[in-house]
This record gives sequence, structure tokens and C-alpha cells, in this order.
Amino acid sequence: GENVEQHPSTLSVQEGDSAVIKCTYSDSASNYFPWYKQELGKRPQLIIDIRSNVGEKKDQRIAVTLNKTAKHFSLHITETQPEDSAVYFCAALGAGFQKLVFGTGTRLLVSP
Amino acid sequence: EAGVVQSPRYKIIEKKQPVAFWCNPISGHNTLYWYLQNLGQGPELLIRYENEEAVDDSQLPKDRFSAERLKGVDSTLKIQPAELGDSAVYLCASSPGWTGASNEQFFGPGTRLTVL
Repeated sequence: GENVEQHPSTLSVQEGDSAVIKCTYSDSASNYFPWYKQELGKRPQLIIDIRSNVGEKKDQRIAVTLNKTAKHFSLHITETQPEDSAVYFCAALGAGFQKLVFGTGTRLLVSP
Repeated sequence: EAGVVQSPRYKIIEKKQPVAFWCNPISGHNTLYWYLQNLGQGPELLIRYENEEAVDDSQLPKDRFSAERLKGVDSTLKIQPAELGDSAVYLCASSPGWTGASNEQFFGPGTRLTVL
């Protein structure tokens, strides 16, 4: 089955800096890659997603890139703000169709 | 539009006791998921329903866990008997399913279970 690895596990940046979180997946048939943000004690919320027929997608300060050949995708946050502090999870839709496999999460801390 | 609703939000029980969680998905969403989230980890799928049919329950520990979605809308997840290692957050999610253009899954707030 699908296996998703995520790095780093923690990331500390200064306000205004950029943050990059990277994930790799194992199933070449995976075709959908969402990123979820989860604040402490809250539900995971989708912030951006990308399908396998697209190499990059942007939404204001966040962007996701996908390299199908290397089977990795990354989340980029520019001009970080303290409210970006949360745990971010990547995921891949595996061959089991609609079965999302999540990474282990990255705790992002943005210091003012 | 109301989101995914779960209850209770918190539950504390003693080991060997039974416990049940309830989920009401977003209206019109055919697909419903139950996930387990341990502290510091990503959600792990327990079971997925397409309408009232459980189409993927390979990760559900069937000796003590059971789930149902009788009318293809609300769902309950039960643990009997609970063990100390079951302490976690149980998340419910829903998505439009094959009738929708999006794969996005919408999560509920979760039920935090503590087994003493």
C-alpha cells in the first residue's frame, strides 16, 4: 500500500521568512495530494491540494509543487505569519481509491 | 452549510467499558470515513463507507471495534471493550464521493477518548 514520509518534523522560522515542508510517496498510481493544517485541538482543514496532472499550484502565500518522477511534493509558505503556526499534514490518495494516507506531520512555529 | 458534526467531543472511560461515537456528515456526502489520530501523528483510516456499504474496513480491529451507517447518513463507531491503547482522537470525515468532482475530505472536530 501507499506510504508517505514527511520532513521535517518540526520547523521554526521568523515572521516573514519562507517555510518549506517536503513529502515523498511510494505508490506511483497516487493521483491526488492534499495538505491539511491542524491547529491545537482543532480539526484538520484543507489548505491546498494538487492533482497528478499538474506540477504546481498557488493560492496567495501558499504553493504546492509535485514531481511525479521522483514521487515527491512540497508545501511552500511565503511571508509567514504567527497565525501560520500549526501542524501541517501532507497526504496521498493511494491505489485503494479515496483512501488518504497521511504523513506524520510537521509542527511549524512562526516567531514574531 | 453545516460541517461534519461529531459527538461527544470528549469521553473518559475506564478500561473494559464500552464506548460509542456518533457522526453526522455534510448533507449530500455519500462517502464517510472514520479515522484514528494518535498524539503527534497523522490520521489513520479505520473504515470507509460508500452510502451504507463499508467498502474498506481493512484497518478496523474487528475483535473490539464495530461501525455502522444504517441509512447511509449518520454513522456510529463502537469500541467494546476499550483498552488503554485506544486513547486517541477519533475523527469522522465526509466527501461527496464518486458523484462529486472533488476528492476533498471534510473533517469533523473529533472525539477525544481517554481510557483509564
